[in-house]
Amino acid sequence: AQTVTQSQPEMSVQEAETVTLSCTYDTSESDYYLFWYKQPPSRQMILVIRQEAYKQQNATENRFSVNFQKAAKSFSLKISDSQLGDAAMYFCAYHSGNTGKLIFGQGTTLQVKP
Amino acid sequence: EAGVAQSPRYKIIEKRQSVAFWCNPISGHATLYWYQQILGQGPKLLIQFQNNGVVDDSQLPKDRFSAERLKGVDSTLKIQPAKLEDSAVYLCASSLDGGGYTEAFFGQGTRLTVV
Repeated sequence: AQTVTQSQPEMSVQEAETVTLSCTYDTSESDYYLFWYKQPPSRQMILVIRQEAYKQQNATENRFSVNFQKAAKSFSLKISDSQLGDAAMYFCAYHSGNTGKLIFGQGTTLQVKP
Repeated sequence: EAGVAQSPRYKIIEKRQSVAFWCNPISGHATLYWYQQILGQGPKLLIQFQNNGVVDDSQLPKDRFSAERLKGVDSTLKIQPAKLEDSAVYLCASSLDGGGYTEAFFGQGTRLTVV
C-alpha cells in the first residue's frame, strides 16, 4: 500500500523569505504523480504544483518549486518570497497512475509572519 | 465551468442519528472520491468511484457508512448510526479519469458535528 508522510506539523516563515516543506512517500508502483495542495481556512483544496514521477526535471510554478528525489522517495516544496496569502495548511499527495487512487499526508500548517 | 457541488455545508446531529451528504461532480468527470478530514489532519480516502463502480473502499467503515453513485454522476454518502468520532469535514472530489494524470477538483466540504 502507498503511504505519504509529512513530518512537520507546523512551520513558520517571515514574509519575503523562503521556506521548505518536507514530504516522503512509499510505493512499489512506477506510474504515479505527486502533488502539493493548499487548504486555506475556507477548506477549498487548491492545487499548487504537480510532478510526474517519470520526469527528472523538478516542477516549478512561479514562486513554488519542488525538489523531487525519486530514489529517496522524497518530494519537498519550496516557497520563495513568501506572502501573507501563502498562510494555509499544505498537503502532499500521491496519485496512482494505475488505479487513480489519491491519498494525502497529514499536512503542514504554514504561518507567514509580517 | 461549474465546480464540485456539495450539500449541506454544515450539519449538526445527535449520536445514533443518521445523516446523508450529497455531491455533484464536474460534468463528464468519471472518477469521484469521498474523504473524511478530521480537524488538523489530512484527508482520509473513504471511497473512490469510477463511473458508478467502486474502485477502492478499503477504508470505509462499512458497518455504519455507505455510499452510492447513481448513474455514474451524483453521489451520496450516508452514516447510520453516527458516532461522536464521525465529527469531521467530508470532502468530495472528482477528476476526468482516475488513471494517468488528471487533476482532482474539490468541493468545499460538509462539516459534520455529532453531539
